[in-house]
Amino acid sequence: NAGVTQTPKFRVLKTGQSMTLLCAQDMNHEYMYWYRQDPGMGLRLIHYSVGEGTTAKGEVPDGYNVSRLKKQNFLLGLESAAPSQTSVYFCASSSTSPSTGELFFGEGSRLTVL
Amino acid sequence: QKEVEQDPGPLSVPEGAIVSLNCTYSNSAFQYFMWYRQYSRKGPELLMYTYSSGNKEDGRFTAQVDKSSKYISLFIRDSQPSDSATYLCALDRGAQKLVFGQGTRLTINP
Repeated sequence: NAGVTQTPKFRVLKTGQSMTLLCAQDMNHEYMYWYRQDPGMGLRLIHYSVGEGTTAKGEVPDGYNVSRLKKQNFLLGLESAAPSQTSVYFCASSSTSPSTGELFFGEGSRLTVL
Repeated sequence: QKEVEQDPGPLSVPEGAIVSLNCTYSNSAFQYFMWYRQYSRKGPELLMYTYSSGNKEDGRFTAQVDKSSKYISLFIRDSQPSDSATYLCALDRGAQKLVFGQGTRLTINP
């Protein structure tokens, strides 16, 4: 009963390093999302995908790239990490539009950029 | 001006109290309104979902939407320590883009 799984759960990077966060869902959902959560800012949408092979920008896409090569996986990449990208990152998936269906979230990935 | 405003709290109440959590919004185009609950170090989970104005009840939880005032509320009756969490309102503006409030941290004291 895995649902949405994020790896890694914790990571510390130095400024300028790159990394990839992996999100995997086993619910056969079409829609997948990457959010970041910062104190006082709530959840902000970075990028999302409405199906395999598709991606689109959210509210705060700068500095991030994504790929959805397989339906069950959604990757979030940071090419050159900056301290402003220190955050908790959440992946979510849904079978329909989030306005009429439930978003299922992973447990989060805590990233610190020094 | 943020599209959605939510008092971050923290809010601390005794067990058994009625809790009122609120959000205000500025975009009258929002049609769908949700409340998510997030326990510490976990991802959010959907608690309630409503469409347009009115009330919706689910056990001890009642969601209320007043579109004329652009105001949404979540009421928790007979609050329990297990209700201690951060509560986030979320509003739909279409195209798979939910807008979340900042979240209110709630603690229920035994």
